[in-house]
Amino acid sequence: DSGVTQTPKHLITATGQRVTLRCSPRSGDLSVYWYQQSLDQGLQFLIHYYNGEERAKGNILERFSAQQFPDLHSELNLSSLELGDSALYFCASSSRGNEQYFGPGTRLTVT
Amino acid sequence: GIQVEQSPPDLILQEGANSTLRCNFSDSVNNLQWFHQNPWGQLINLFYIPSGTKQNGRLSATTVATERYSLLYISSSQTTDSGVYFCAVSILTGGGNKLTFGTGTQLKVEL
Repeated sequence: DSGVTQTPKHLITATGQRVTLRCSPRSGDLSVYWYQQSLDQGLQFLIHYYNGEERAKGNILERFSAQQFPDLHSELNLSSLELGDSALYFCASSSRGNEQYFGPGTRLTVT
Repeated sequence: GIQVEQSPPDLILQEGANSTLRCNFSDSVNNLQWFHQNPWGQLINLFYIPSGTKQNGRLSATTVATERYSLLYISSSQTTDSGVYFCAVSILTGGGNKLTFGTGTQLKVEL
């Protein structure tokens, strides 16, 4: 158990819908990262938050947004969903030591 | 951006055999991690090893930062070692330490 929690584990929704994925980092970690794992793109970095502030963006679509709250949990919002958004979404957290610990992931299926 | 190449892409072993997985990267890094993704999709931290050598049971890893490669050694393999092994690296930037993943080595250990 990495200490990073993600909910829900599985999510099935229809095209055009909006979903919210939630992540709680390890106790004391201020950094939260979101990654997407799809069959065609592999594991890709989406966005990084540090203590509530956005620090870096990767290949994140405009339809996707994220935020980190004062209690340090983070949410990834995916809207106007398309079939191609079906993927495994991971959250990771780290402290100043750089090593990132990953949550169990949320498997999103868009039908 | 930084490129990460892993080899071999696929590997089939008999239980008890040893193996070496390789990760080459194209730039100087401040973070290098090895992960095992099990058949349930979980990403399990194996090593945080930006340089040097570490051992954990039957697994060990070596990173030669000056030559931009890392090796993961698996000895006396077991069926539970099956899954995908990922190498991931990051470069220190003002925007944090996003990980760039290789495409992985798919390992299958047979009885």
